[in-house]
Amino acid sequence: AQSVTQLDSHVSVSEGTPVLLRCNYSSSYSPSLFWYVQHPNKGLQLLLKYTSAATLVKGINGFEAEFKKSETSFHLTKPSAHMSDAAEYFCVVSRYNTDKLIFGTGTRLQVFP
Amino acid sequence: GAGVSQSPSNKVTEKGKDVELRCDPISGHTALYWYRQSLGQGLEFLIYFQGNSAPDKSGLPSDRFSAERTGGSVSTLTIQRTQQEDSAVYLCASSREGLYEQFFGPGTRLTVL
Repeated sequence: AQSVTQLDSHVSVSEGTPVLLRCNYSSSYSPSLFWYVQHPNKGLQLLLKYTSAATLVKGINGFEAEFKKSETSFHLTKPSAHMSDAAEYFCVVSRYNTDKLIFGTGTRLQVFP
Repeated sequence: GAGVSQSPSNKVTEKGKDVELRCDPISGHTALYWYRQSLGQGLEFLIYFQGNSAPDKSGLPSDRFSAERTGGSVSTLTIQRTQQEDSAVYLCASSREGLYEQFFGPGTRLTVL
């Protein structure tokens, strides 16, 4: 079985400070891992994906994530938060390229000026 | 190019009525997925189509839920005898054969009174 656990339901940061959104996964297969973002009243957008290539994955808008098998983690980071980063972020796992996505419960990121 | 579209964007219905939700995937995408996003359950998988076949219906919550896909394109999710717990945002996604990224539509917000 596969699952992801997002360790924080809410994260608040000041604009210009680093962002860290934490995600741990559980998978009996070699997983594919993703981060999706959902802005208010908007659709889900893929930020980045890990599919067993490089363990450090760079995504859009300056976000990146590192796959750490020993820690079963896939944390999302950004060096400097922007007001436009305020949104809901979902850590997601799947088994293979056409498999269903299994979503974490989400982390709401607030960015203060 | 055009993204995934869904209609209607909002649907309010009375308990016990049937509803149909429509999804138009990105042209050329062979895989199509339905998900549901609700306050109590988060984001959960409902059903997956490859072409017109549904190899994975494991997420459909009850036999009141059904879905079909015709011509390898448009899909319809039908909920019969709606209940208040069916209130949620229903999301559709599509992807190309062999690729991981699922592109999401804006969703249909269903409210059952």
